[in-house]
Parts: sequence; C-alpha cells; structure tokens
Amino acid sequence: EIVMTQSPGTMSVSPGEGATLSCRASQSLYGNLAWYQQRPGQAPRLLIYGISTRATGIPAKFSGRVSGTEFTLTISSLQSEDFAVYYCQQYKERPYTFGQGTKVEI
Amino acid sequence: VHLQESGPGLVKPSGTLSLTCDVSGGSISSSHWWNWVRQSPEKGLEWIGEMYHTGSSNYNPSLSSRATISIDKSKNQFSLDLTSVTAADTALYYCARSRTALEYNMDVWGKGTAVTVSS
Repeated sequence: EIVMTQSPGTMSVSPGEGATLSCRASQSLYGNLAWYQQRPGQAPRLLIYGISTRATGIPAKFSGRVSGTEFTLTISSLQSEDFAVYYCQQYKERPYTFGQGTKVEI
Repeated sequence: VHLQESGPGLVKPSGTLSLTCDVSGGSISSSHWWNWVRQSPEKGLEWIGEMYHTGSSNYNPSLSSRATISIDKSKNQFSLDLTSVTAADTALYYCARSRTALEYNMDVWGKGTAVTVSS
C-alpha cells in the first residue's frame, strides 16, 4: 500500500500567521491527493482534492500544491477556527491511505 | 446530503461489530461510493472499504476479509459488519461519501460513532 508521511507532527503558529504543511507519498499519486481538516470532536472535512482544487465552500486561504514528490498545504492568516489537525490522503489506489496528521496549534 | 451512523457502542471480543449509516438529503443510488473509515490513536485514519449502489465493493486487505459492506436501497442506508473483533478494532467509526464515482476523496462524512471492543 502507499504510505503517506506528514511533517511536522505538530506546529505552533500565532494567530494571523501562515503555515505550510508537508505530505510525501511512497510512490507517485498522479494528482490523486486530498487534504482534510479535523477539528476537535468533529469528523474530517474535505479541504482540497486533486492536489490544489478547493472543495465546495472552502475559502481561498487554503491552497495546495506539489513540488517534486512533496505535497504542501498552505494556510494563510490563521484564525482560531483553523487550529486543528490536517490530514493528507491518497486515492490513487486502494487501499486509500491517510497520513498521520499535522496538528496546528496556537 | 447528511450521513448518520448508528450501532452498538460496545461489542464483545470475537463478536461481530454491526453499524448502519443513514443517508438523508440524497439517494444512495447516486454516483458516489459509500465508505467506512475508522480512527484510533494507534492507527490514525484507516479506510475500511467502499460500496457502490450496483453492488460493487472493495475492502482494505489489512482487515483480512472480516469486513462486509451492504446497501439497502429501500431504506437509503448502508451498513458495515466486522467479524471476529478484538480490542484492536476499538475506534471511532465514520461513514463517508466519495466525492464522485471516479474520485475517491470523501466530501461528506457522518459525525462518527465510537465502538469499544471489551468483555
């Protein structure tokens, strides 16, 4: 199965600052990469699919890109509701797999 | 579309875990795959399997064929049966919808239901 590795495990950010999260796959995904946000006590919420396409209702402060084998999620000007755990997921092949998550904390 | 999981919160070891996901606001016969995903501190988010309304299904090999997903079109719901459970199956179980029939990211999730395996 494809192994997804996220870094860092935790990042501390001040409100108003930006954050860039990283995700690497053990093999090529051909664009089949999604990002999710999970707030405490809530289900994951789809943010980004296809590396860089925002899901319905997701604000432009969330952006995704790829550089070589590294996928990144950038969040600009963090607000209180953005402090959460973020997961990447590959859906190139089954079994679909998730990274272990990056916790963005104040 | 809204998804709501239901089922026992406690299952005995070696027993069968059975959960149901009610789909409201849309048809289970629409162009989406219907998934089960679980989350535990040990394994993180783990995809269990998926089913399409035609009856096609796929499962995570890590579950060693213990998982079965079924769809009940008359009730607009789908279900998960996981047999021979152990403490390692203790987790928060989510049902989720694939964004499209060809895109296997998941755009709608239930709130999750906690299942504990214990005697």
